[in-house]
Amino acid sequence: NAGVMQNPRHLVRRRGQEARLRCSPMKGHSHVYWYRQLPEEGLKFMVYLQKENIIDESGMPKERFSAEFPKEGPSILRIQQVVRGDSAAYFCASSPPFRGPYNEQFFGPGTRLTVL
Amino acid sequence: AQSVAQPEDQVNVAEGNPLTVKCTYSVSGNPYLFWYVQYPNRGLQFLLKYITGDNLVKGSYGFEAEFNKSQTSFHLKKPSALVSDSALYFCAVRLLSGNTGKLIFGQGTTLQVKP
Repeated sequence: NAGVMQNPRHLVRRRGQEARLRCSPMKGHSHVYWYRQLPEEGLKFMVYLQKENIIDESGMPKERFSAEFPKEGPSILRIQQVVRGDSAAYFCASSPPFRGPYNEQFFGPGTRLTVL
Repeated sequence: AQSVAQPEDQVNVAEGNPLTVKCTYSVSGNPYLFWYVQYPNRGLQFLLKYITGDNLVKGSYGFEAEFNKSQTSFHLKKPSALVSDSALYFCAVRLLSGNTGKLIFGQGTTLQVKP
């Protein structure tokens, strides 16, 4: 059973370009979470999605960032017009259908975004 | 505000000695607590969780954690450290507001185990 897959593992963009990060959850998992880890910091929640629905986007910056989890295919985190401050590791996690607090989240290896 | 604190940026122990990585939390309602470990350039791996029941929780790789409600702590422990335990450790609390299950992480503690 493959784990959470993220690609690319490393992404380099110049300021002003767009970054697209992909996440394929574990088989049978219908819940996806995105977290951002800035250098020397812990992980910060960004967004929680189910298939075709954004459930909680309270951690998403108001501008330039968007996320989706379509009916078919991976979840996408999209960053438009990237700036140097967007340089970070972006982690995706997945969990089975929500049943209260019992489900731990399974994390992917992350995408390390570098903005030049 | 709900939060998690890891008061030590780094913990150093000698191989074979017991280790403790500290975590305190502040939540309203019942706390659901987790420990994860991160190796360099890797994602987070789940170690253990406290949901309810016994205050001493056993997890992967010989780790355990003790939930202390009066001290609002959830310290990670291991009786005998290995060099391979050297990594970054995160404590997290799960928020159950509405239908969300997002994790709030502490800032992380680097564990260095020396031979």
